[in-house]
Amino acid sequence: GNSVTQMEGPVTLSEEAFLTINCTYTATGYPSLFWYVQYPGEGLQLLLKATKADDKGSNKGFEATYRKETTSFHLEKGSVQVSDSAVYFCALSDQAGRRALTFGSGTRLQVQP
Amino acid sequence: NAGVTQTPKFRVLKTGQSMTLLCAQDMNHEYMYWYRQDPGMGLRLIHYSVGEGTTAKGEVPDGYNVSRLKKQNFLLGLESAAPSQTSVYFCASSYGAGASLLGEQYFGPGTRLTVT
Repeated sequence: GNSVTQMEGPVTLSEEAFLTINCTYTATGYPSLFWYVQYPGEGLQLLLKATKADDKGSNKGFEATYRKETTSFHLEKGSVQVSDSAVYFCALSDQAGRRALTFGSGTRLQVQP
Repeated sequence: NAGVTQTPKFRVLKTGQSMTLLCAQDMNHEYMYWYRQDPGMGLRLIHYSVGEGTTAKGEVPDGYNVSRLKKQNFLLGLESAAPSQTSVYFCASSYGAGASLLGEQYFGPGTRLTVT
């Protein structure tokens, strides 16, 4: 079955530091890949996505590239802000049928001023 | 638009009690989902629906039932609550068609349930 593995947190960084959160996946076929973000007390929001190999998703300064050869979708940001403090979830989607998401366990990011 | 709303936001139940969680969406989405979120485990799919009047089991359906009598509403029921069902429950919805929108789900704010 499908599965997603992401690095454990918390990740603590100073403002303007470089961020990488690792994500690898196991899936049959060619899934779409996502990063969702959860701010304190809120539901999840889509941050970015990629639907095929070598696609790069980007939003709000965050980027991730779909690497089929390494089955990875690592999240990066060049300069984090305090407002980026949240929990980040890597996920993949069924290609058909139920269209449900399989999530990683989440990585908490804490950015200190 | 309100997006996806969930009722209630918090609830405490005693073991054996029953309750229903309500999810409503105003985006005319075909697909709706219930997930539970537990520490260190991400979100896991409980049940889902691909359209009005249809429901199906996800990965962790035991102890839960669902109904989708109206397109905009998706109800999650606990018939006899157990401490193992202490969790945060999220409802989500998505479009049913369009490969470009695959996997883009809209989440409600969650319901925090404690079973004592």
